[in-house]
Amino acid sequence: KQEVTQIPAALSVPEGENLVLNCSFTDSAIYNLQWFRQDPGKGLTSLLLIQSSQREQTSGRLNASLDKSSGRSTLYIAASQPGDSATYLCAVTGGGNKLTFGTGTQLKVEL
Amino acid sequence: DAGITQSPRYKITETGRQVTLMCHQTWSHSYMFWYRQDLGHGLRLIYYSAAADITDKGEVSDGYVVSRSKTENFPLTLESATRSQTSVYFCASIHNPGTDTQYFGPGTRLTVL
Repeated sequence: KQEVTQIPAALSVPEGENLVLNCSFTDSAIYNLQWFRQDPGKGLTSLLLIQSSQREQTSGRLNASLDKSSGRSTLYIAASQPGDSATYLCAVTGGGNKLTFGTGTQLKVEL
Repeated sequence: DAGITQSPRYKITETGRQVTLMCHQTWSHSYMFWYRQDLGHGLRLIYYSAAADITDKGEVSDGYVVSRSKTENFPLTLESATRSQTSVYFCASIHNPGTDTQYFGPGTRLTVL
């Protein structure tokens, strides 16, 4: 059974800091890995999708990497802003085309 | 409007009642999913559907029933609600799970008293 772990569970940083969120998964037989953002009381918004054959994806200030063999991914956020405050979820697509989610990292960027 | 919608957004019901949560998407995506989100557990898959009239159980399907007679709709029914089914429920859709991202609805917050 696939298990996805995210560390840390919560993170508070001052505005402008660069930060890294971590995600690990136990079964490397995945199709892709995705990072989502969730604001309080809202649904999930996809940030980045990395196919299993790719090593990284970038979108603006966000960069996600994937090391499938070691079962790890990182989400790098450059020059953090208060608007980045949210919960960030990592998910992998495995057998049966189903997503398995981590429990998320709650990020707070302070002024 | 295009996208994926859920109704109702909030629902309070009593133990033992039947409740149906609705999900509608306008993209004609083949795959649709139902998840529940609980503190400490993250999102867990309840049921999914690869196409109309094709459904399969997820990780936490006990006490839930789904149907998919039309591609765009994927209702989730709690046959006899229990307090443990108090949760936030999310519907999602996707065209190709191997290459695309899932699009999520805004969620339904269900409270079972």
